[in-house]
Amino acid sequence: SQQGEEDPQALSIQEGENATMNCSYKTSINNLQWYRQNSGRGLVHLILIRSNEREKHSGRLRVTLDTSKKSSSLLITASRAADTASYFCAANSGGGADGLTFGKGTHLIIQP
Amino acid sequence: DAGVIQSPRHEVTEMGQEVTLRCKPISGHDYLFWYRQTMMRGLELLIYFNNNVPIDDSGMPEDRFSAKMPNASFSTLKIQPSEPRDSAVYFCATARGGNQPQHFGDGTRLSIL
Repeated sequence: SQQGEEDPQALSIQEGENATMNCSYKTSINNLQWYRQNSGRGLVHLILIRSNEREKHSGRLRVTLDTSKKSSSLLITASRAADTASYFCAANSGGGADGLTFGKGTHLIIQP
Repeated sequence: DAGVIQSPRHEVTEMGQEVTLRCKPISGHDYLFWYRQTMMRGLELLIYFNNNVPIDDSGMPEDRFSAKMPNASFSTLKIQPSEPRDSAVYFCATARGGNQPQHFGDGTRLSIL
């Protein structure tokens, strides 16, 4: 089963607005990672949050993690047209299990 | 840093043909992952290597799929014989550690007719 599940599947907002995407996972994690994928390209790592962290910032990105609810959120503030992409969360289960389990992503469209 | 390099970018071939996808990892990255992406199933991990050794191939769908990493600079994913349901985008990704951020290539878009 998918370890990471994003919500919503698609999101369309106006440029300048904030975009929030959510992720849920099923088992305990070592860390959770967010990636962006532009059309026709590979995934690009955005931010990693460890299981003992609750919030992390990187530029206009803010990620929160609630291990009690097994959920994470990605907030993009002051969105730009260039933020149009698909966003994926990926859970790393740790415990010697390498690799990531990705959700199906949130397709974000920023309307100019 | 040239990034992860995959070739070819696009491959169109007929059912039954052998297909070989190639990946050059980032130098110094000990982990290499092969993924398949489709609209229906999303991103699926097929197999990964650590220090050129296959660690987990449980995601490889069938015996028709095989992957090798003969050295730290090169990996291949082979499908023989190919079938239309193998059509997908195949990504190679590498990382410094198993739980570290992964760096993806731009993928090979494979179409089996």
